[in-house]
Amino acid sequence: TQLLEQSPQFLSIQEGENLTVYCNSSSVFSSLQWYRQEPGEGPVLLVTVVTGGEVKKLKRLTFQFGDARKDSSLHITAAQTGDTGLYLCAGALGNQFYFGTGTSLTVIP
Amino acid sequence: DAGITQSPRHKVTETGTPVTLRCHQTENHRYMYWYRQDPGHGLRLIHYSYGVKDTDKGEVSDGYSVSRSKTEDFLLTLESATSSQTSVYFCAISELAGGPKTQYFGPGTRLTVL
Repeated sequence: TQLLEQSPQFLSIQEGENLTVYCNSSSVFSSLQWYRQEPGEGPVLLVTVVTGGEVKKLKRLTFQFGDARKDSSLHITAAQTGDTGLYLCAGALGNQFYFGTGTSLTVIP
Repeated sequence: DAGITQSPRHKVTETGTPVTLRCHQTENHRYMYWYRQDPGHGLRLIHYSYGVKDTDKGEVSDGYSVSRSKTEDFLLTLESATSSQTSVYFCAISELAGGPKTQYFGPGTRLTVL
């Protein structure tokens, strides 16, 4: 059983469209991270959110942590081909981190 | 970028042989982790370390052992490799005290067990 459920698993969109990826759990996390991973490489940290209700922006990417610190969303505005990749969320619980299965995003030119 | 290296980056081995993967960090972080990544399963924790000679099991620890004799090095050993251990292995580091809990990952080791 996956502690963090990510949806959708796969997403294929046209360049310029908007999209949202969701990360949900029944557990409360002390922090939540979003990573992007490209083929053959390790995950690269995009953001860490800590406070319930927190919103962080990274250029065209907006990250939100749920009020109860159980869920999070990643919204991309006007997607570009360079956004293509695997997006992973991870929640910190004690000394461990629990990962979602990822969202594979393909942006078509 | 966090200073994390993994070696080797690629390895092909045969069933029944021992294999050791190395993770080296230059950040002096206390916590180090070994994960495996497989399609449909995401990243799953194998073992982690919270200090020199202090380690604990993760979700998928069977068939794996670890050692940490220095802060900067964390070794993952497959005592007798099996085909089910064919995977991509990632090392990660974290400094859980004094700020938001965040991990930084190494580049990965692709292991194939024939």
